[in-house]
Amino acid sequence: QSALTQPASVSGSPGQSITISCSGTSSDVGSYNFVSWYQQHPGKVPKVMIYEGTKRPSGISNRFSGSKSGNTASLTISGLQAEDEADYYCCSYAGHSYVFGTGTKVTVL
Amino acid sequence: QITLKESGPTLVEPTQALTLTCTFSGFSLSTGGVGVAWIRQPPGKALEYLALIYWDDDKRYSPSLKRRLTITKDTSKHQVVLTMTNMDPVDTATYYCAHGGSFEWNWFDPWGQGTLVTVSS
Repeated sequence: QSALTQPASVSGSPGQSITISCSGTSSDVGSYNFVSWYQQHPGKVPKVMIYEGTKRPSGISNRFSGSKSGNTASLTISGLQAEDEADYYCCSYAGHSYVFGTGTKVTVL
Repeated sequence: QITLKESGPTLVEPTQALTLTCTFSGFSLSTGGVGVAWIRQPPGKALEYLALIYWDDDKRYSPSLKRRLTITKDTSKHQVVLTMTNMDPVDTATYYCAHGGSFEWNWFDPWGQGTLVTVSS
């Protein structure tokens, strides 16, 4: 199976909203609601921001939201803040394993 | 509180096998619905799923690496062990173990701190 496709980079100014796409296939994103999103700051451990496509773990800001349409999942960050600058990865169940995305670097201008 | 910690060699020679141990606390791998996964990240690159073991000893491997991987668990020691054979310099990466991956908990949280493994002669 191939990695899920994400844009290499997305940028926005403080206060703006940005959306990161995660393109998969009918064998992964399109077939299951088991999409999760991870934030990773440089040198740090990945942290889950969204699970099961749209749910936020306790303690995660409601500025982060997830959605899915067909074979593509999306992560939206609203009210962009400097602390949101990081790498973001999507992950999907793929039937008998999991697959991660190619990763997106978010820059706050 | 769930915690996980990876341990193993930091340097492996090409063609050798790598054995990593994940020692965890705060949950039991004999409890239904529990899983532990291994995920790696080459320097400056993306995360890559490797393998997952469930409470019932069911195992799920990355299709592209399954011939080289073996995942086992020792419930009494609260450990999960990953073995990867025939290591190559491209396998140089930080290797993480993480709680999750089951139907009931189909995301990975929390993660261990990771251990950097370098493959070089």
